[in-house]
Amino acid sequence: AQSVTQLDSHVSVSEGTPVLLRCNYSSSYSPSLFWYVQHPNKGLQLLLKYTSAATLVKGINGFEAEFKKSETSFHLTKPSAHMSDAAEYFCVVSDPGNTGKLIFGQGTTLQVKP
Amino acid sequence: EAGVVQSPRYKIIEKKQPVAFWCNPISGHNTLYWYRQNLGQGPELLIRYENEEAVDDSQLPKDRFSAERLKGVDSTLKIQPAELGDSAVYLCASSSRQSNEKLFFGSGTQLSVL
Repeated sequence: AQSVTQLDSHVSVSEGTPVLLRCNYSSSYSPSLFWYVQHPNKGLQLLLKYTSAATLVKGINGFEAEFKKSETSFHLTKPSAHMSDAAEYFCVVSDPGNTGKLIFGQGTTLQVKP
Repeated sequence: EAGVVQSPRYKIIEKKQPVAFWCNPISGHNTLYWYRQNLGQGPELLIRYENEEAVDDSQLPKDRFSAERLKGVDSTLKIQPAELGDSAVYLCASSSRQSNEKLFFGSGTQLSVL
């Protein structure tokens, strides 16, 4: 069965410093992986998506993630945090068969301090 | 273009009462999803529709939950009777046939059962 584990429930950074949100996945096949962001009182928004093309995936708002099969990881990074990045971030794996069913991690709360 | 619209935004009810949530997906999106997000956790799929057909309702507690998408557009999710453990955010999402792994989420309905 497919699953994702987000290694940190809460990450705190200072504005202007790098962001690293960690995610490990478990899958018996080549997975489709995603990062979604959830701002307070707003809907979940897709940040980026990996589907077996380039292992380094660039997303919106300066975020990117690198797929590492040897480490079964899909960590999310950003070189310089902005106050507006404060939100809940979810690592997600897609159910096989291209059904569109998404399996979410527990989420990581990103706090950005001024 | 309007996004996924959900109503109400908040709902507070007493246990054993019925409650219904409404979702209007993005125009032209044939796939509609209902997810439940418990506090501090990632969303979990309840039911998925392809047009008006429920193609995956394996996670829907059928003793008290029901859903419908009569004309393949709007959808309602009902709980009767509600229990304390049903308190959560209920999210609706939709996707198109061309990109069924990219889901667009509504802002959700936050349900509190007292």
